[in-house]
Amino acid sequence: ETGVTQSPTHLIKTRGQQVTLRCSSQSGHNTVSWYQQALGQGPQFIFQYYREEENGRGNFPPRFSGLQFPNYSSELNVNALELDDSALYLCASTPGTGLYNEQFFGPGTRLTVL
Amino acid sequence: RKEVEQDPGPFNVPEGATVAFNCTYSNSASQSFFWYRQDCRKEPKLLMSVYSSGNEDGRFTAQLNRASQYISLLIRDSKLSDSATYLCVVTGETGRRALTFGSGTRLQVQP
Repeated sequence: ETGVTQSPTHLIKTRGQQVTLRCSSQSGHNTVSWYQQALGQGPQFIFQYYREEENGRGNFPPRFSGLQFPNYSSELNVNALELDDSALYLCASTPGTGLYNEQFFGPGTRLTVL
Repeated sequence: RKEVEQDPGPFNVPEGATVAFNCTYSNSASQSFFWYRQDCRKEPKLLMSVYSSGNEDGRFTAQLNRASQYISLLIRDSKLSDSATYLCVVTGETGRRALTFGSGTRLQVQP
């Protein structure tokens, strides 16, 4: 186990609804990244938080937003859900600043939008 | 053009076989390189980092060619437990620690 936890495990929503996904990073990790993984694809970078500030964003619309808290846990919020938002959402935490620091992934939240 | 391209497979090989995966990346500014392994319906896990000098970890050997923007992974003496999807990963422009993944190559090792 990586020590990174995510909740909920599974979620079913309908189009137009809003969803909040949560991630608890490994102890001592100050950087959290969120990824979206559609079926049959590799994970796609959504955004990254470092010490509560957004530190990079991928090619996702503004309806994808996030937060990082002082204890370095994090939330991903998605507004106005669309069918294509159905995917596995992964968070990953990492310590330090080294280029080769390992990112530890949580088990993911599987979101289904109907 | 995708930033990181891999052959999707699947690669079906017998136990004991040697299998090689290739990957190309488009961003010459990429700074670090990895192979991750993902089992079905699980999270990705780091298999190994890839350095310019090449590196080996037991049955696994990874190589990087920065001039050709090419990364490879060689698995020798395949085991049934090696069956998984192998993801080629680089760091890209969106952030030094943000990972850019390929779509993955699926490996199925047959008894």
